[in-house]
Amino acid sequence: AQTVTQSQPEMSVQEAETVTLSCTYDTSENNYYLFWYKQPPSRQMILVIRQEAYKQQNATENRFSVNFQKAAKSFSLKISDSQLGDTAMYFCAFMKPDSGGGADGLTFGKGTHLIIQP
Amino acid sequence: GAGVSQSPSNKVTEKGKDVELRCDPISGHTALYWYRQSLGQGLEFLIYFQGNSAPDKSGLPSDRFSAERTGGSVSTLTIQRTQQEDSAVYLCASSLAWSGGIYNEQFFGPGTRLTVL
Repeated sequence: AQTVTQSQPEMSVQEAETVTLSCTYDTSENNYYLFWYKQPPSRQMILVIRQEAYKQQNATENRFSVNFQKAAKSFSLKISDSQLGDTAMYFCAFMKPDSGGGADGLTFGKGTHLIIQP
Repeated sequence: GAGVSQSPSNKVTEKGKDVELRCDPISGHTALYWYRQSLGQGLEFLIYFQGNSAPDKSGLPSDRFSAERTGGSVSTLTIQRTQQEDSAVYLCASSLAWSGGIYNEQFFGPGTRLTVL
């Protein structure tokens, strides 16, 4: 079974600062996907960024980037030029293809509550 | 519809009653997922459907939980004899079919908040 650990229950930074959210995971799989999801108070889960384990290059989406260290099983999210709208719960998640070649469900960490202060 | 919809958005029930939660996936999405989000357990994966078939039901918390999907579209999560520990937000997500390990994003609905008194 896979586990995902987020060791920072809450973080608070000033607007425009850069913040890094930590995530580690444990798996014996070699082929898998990692994700960061954002959940604002509206409850709507929004995909922020994804990383395929077979890709060495770190994923980037505008102000969001990851530092993927496969050997260390670490997957941190960096948010640059943080904005008030980035305030939300952030969840790290793991997914592996199932035995039929489809996708198994996501395994989530406990989440980090990120607060961007004006 | 434009996105995944779930109904009801909120449900309050008495302990021991049965409840049905509904999920309408995005049109054309053959994969459908149910998750539970609670304060104590965080986000848990419950079950997924590929078409009308659920390959693995081991994520369901107990035999009081069941799920079905008909016509490859709408899915219903049923909880029988509800208990207070069933209180949580139940999230549904859908995606295009996976094939050969090619990733397709899961799109989430707004969830159903279930409160068991």
